Amino acid sequence: GAVVSQHPSRVICKSGTSVKIECRSLDFQATTMFWYRQFPKKSLMLMATSNEGSKATYEQGVEKDKFLINHASLTLSTLTVTSAHPEDSSFYICSVMGNNQPQHFGDGTRLSIL
Amino acid sequence: DQQVKQNSPSLSVQEGRISILNCDYTNSMFDYFLWYKKYPAEGPTFLISISSIKDKNEDGRFTVFLNKSAKHLSLHIVPSQPGDSAVYFCAASLTGNQFYFGTGTSLTVIP
Repeated sequence: GAVVSQHPSRVICKSGTSVKIECRSLDFQATTMFWYRQFPKKSLMLMATSNEGSKATYEQGVEKDKFLINHASLTLSTLTVTSAHPEDSSFYICSVMGNNQPQHFGDGTRLSIL
Repeated sequence: DQQVKQNSPSLSVQEGRISILNCDYTNSMFDYFLWYKKYPAEGPTFLISISSIKDKNEDGRFTVFLNKSAKHLSLHIVPSQPGDSAVYFCAASLTGNQFYFGTGTSLTVIP
């Protein structure tokens, strides 16, 4: 069964809208979750590491004010794309990693900004 | 700078034959390697992994080979089945923390 639940699976909205994506760990408590973005024909790019109870760690080049991450509990992390624009359209994927276990990924969210 | 590379964007194989997907990396400090399978509009699914202390790991039809001196790993699928058609990503990790992904290889298994 699914280990990670990501919601919504698809979002289409107007430019300027803020969009929240949820990532839930179903099988175990996850102190660390990861958020990735996949560009067409490119690898999964790590955006940030979400740590429960503390601030997220963002990768170089990722705007923390643009991509707000909240990891309020051991089973839930959210990514909010603020004031989204067409260039933010992409496939966003979260993942959870247990202790030295391979990452488990959510099914991703296809974000389309009109 | 891409630390993990999959130089073949696509691969077609006849059903029943062997599929070989290749991956190269640049950082000799990577100590854990994984292969993921991804269907369209879904997240990657873990397939098989290998620690840097090994050179081979086998799980059913899937075998991963690691050549540390060449900084190369490969995934062998035998026999290939139509359901194996997907995009395959290799990933490398340093101490189980940050993971670096390749760009993926799209495998098509022809019935």
